[in-house]
Amino acid sequence: KAGVTQTPRYLIKTRGQQVTLSCSPISGHRSVSWYQQTPGQGLQFLFEYFSETQRNKGNFPGRFSGRQFSNSRSEMNVSTLELGDSALYLCASSLQLAGDPNEQFFGPGTRLTVL
Amino acid sequence: QQQVKQSPQSLIVQKGGISIINCAYENTAFDYFPWYQQFPGKGPALLIAIRPDVSEKKEGRFTISFNKSAKQFSLHIMDSQPGDSATYFCAASNSNTGKLIFGQGTTLQVKP
Repeated sequence: KAGVTQTPRYLIKTRGQQVTLSCSPISGHRSVSWYQQTPGQGLQFLFEYFSETQRNKGNFPGRFSGRQFSNSRSEMNVSTLELGDSALYLCASSLQLAGDPNEQFFGPGTRLTVL
Repeated sequence: QQQVKQSPQSLIVQKGGISIINCAYENTAFDYFPWYQQFPGKGPALLIAIRPDVSEKKEGRFTISFNKSAKQFSLHIMDSQPGDSATYFCAASNSNTGKLIFGQGTTLQVKP
């Protein structure tokens, strides 16, 4: 079974631009969560989508948004990029059956550099 | 209430030794505690996880010890190998959500 895939793997943008990152979950997984990883702040939860609905949201500004499609693929968008948005953006998928543990499987991430 | 505190920040162990990483949480609603291993340039990989109804779980050389009353859990890596050199993250969540709260990470170096 293929793992979580993320595209693109690397991105370089300039301040003020916007960016869209894509995530394809493991086949059959219905939940997709996004995380930001930086050396200073570590791994921080951005949001979770389940059945095309945002189910949880972390403490990030509204410039960070996402969506999930009917095939469970997800995208996240960051508008008006700031230097501090430079990070590794990770997507994780899980089966999320009721009562099951929240086993999340991560993709390789997208390395975003904002200049 | 949402924090997970992890220690130590870095750890150096000799090959064959035991590596121990500790985590503490505050939110008693957490009921799922995974450990992830991350190599440079890769995403975190699920290593082992525990639910609070057991005090210990072992998978190969990796063991989680869980102390519900103290709100602490730890990862033990037995017979540590150079290939175990990586960053380890503990995490916690309520199993009804897809939101993992991560510790700050521990960089483990296993010397040959």
